[in-house]
Amino acid sequence: ELKVEQNPLFLSMQEGKNYTIYCNYSTTSDRLYWYRQDPGKSLESLFVLLSNGAVKQEGRLMASLDTKARLSTLHITAAVHDLSATYFCAVDLTSGSRLTFGEGTQLTVNP
Amino acid sequence: DAGVIQSPRHEVTEMGQEVTLRCKPISGHDYLFWYRQTMMRGLELLIYFNNNVPIDDSGMPEDRFSAKMPNASFSTLKIQPSEPRDSAVYFCASSTSSDSQFYNSPLHFGNGTRLTVT
Repeated sequence: ELKVEQNPLFLSMQEGKNYTIYCNYSTTSDRLYWYRQDPGKSLESLFVLLSNGAVKQEGRLMASLDTKARLSTLHITAAVHDLSATYFCAVDLTSGSRLTFGEGTQLTVNP
Repeated sequence: DAGVIQSPRHEVTEMGQEVTLRCKPISGHDYLFWYRQTMMRGLELLIYFNNNVPIDDSGMPEDRFSAKMPNASFSTLKIQPSEPRDSAVYFCASSTSSDSQFYNSPLHFGNGTRLTVT
């Protein structure tokens, strides 16, 4: 059974600081997704990582994938309050569909 | 593109009543998913369809839950009879397969239905 674990589950940080969220998964996969969820809202796709060594960046967020280590990271650079949300990673084992989500990391960026 | 449309947004019902949740996927998407989100269990996949055919319903918790997709633009998730432990946010999502057949587009989620069973 595929397990997806995120670390940390709760993260409180100051504006302007950098931090990294980690996503470990238990079974070989080369497809990993990152989503953002604001309180009471839906999930929004942030990144799709499709191969070992893949790196994607959007604004202050950068995601990477190491399939050998079964690890993805979401790096936050110079955090701003607007980044406060819950971030989920999800891993896809089969040919396109069955995503297994991590527990989510609740990020709070304080002024 | 209107996105994935779910209804109702909120549903409050009494234990034992039947509940029907509805979903309209994005036009052209050939995969449809039903997820449930709770604080205790996080996001759980209940069932998914490909081209209107149920592919994997192993996440459906009990026989009280059923899902249908009569056509490419509509799906329902029914709970009968409902119980307080069914209280959760239910998300519908859709995606499309690419030419590579090994990769789907990211899931596009609806706004969810918040179900409260008293």
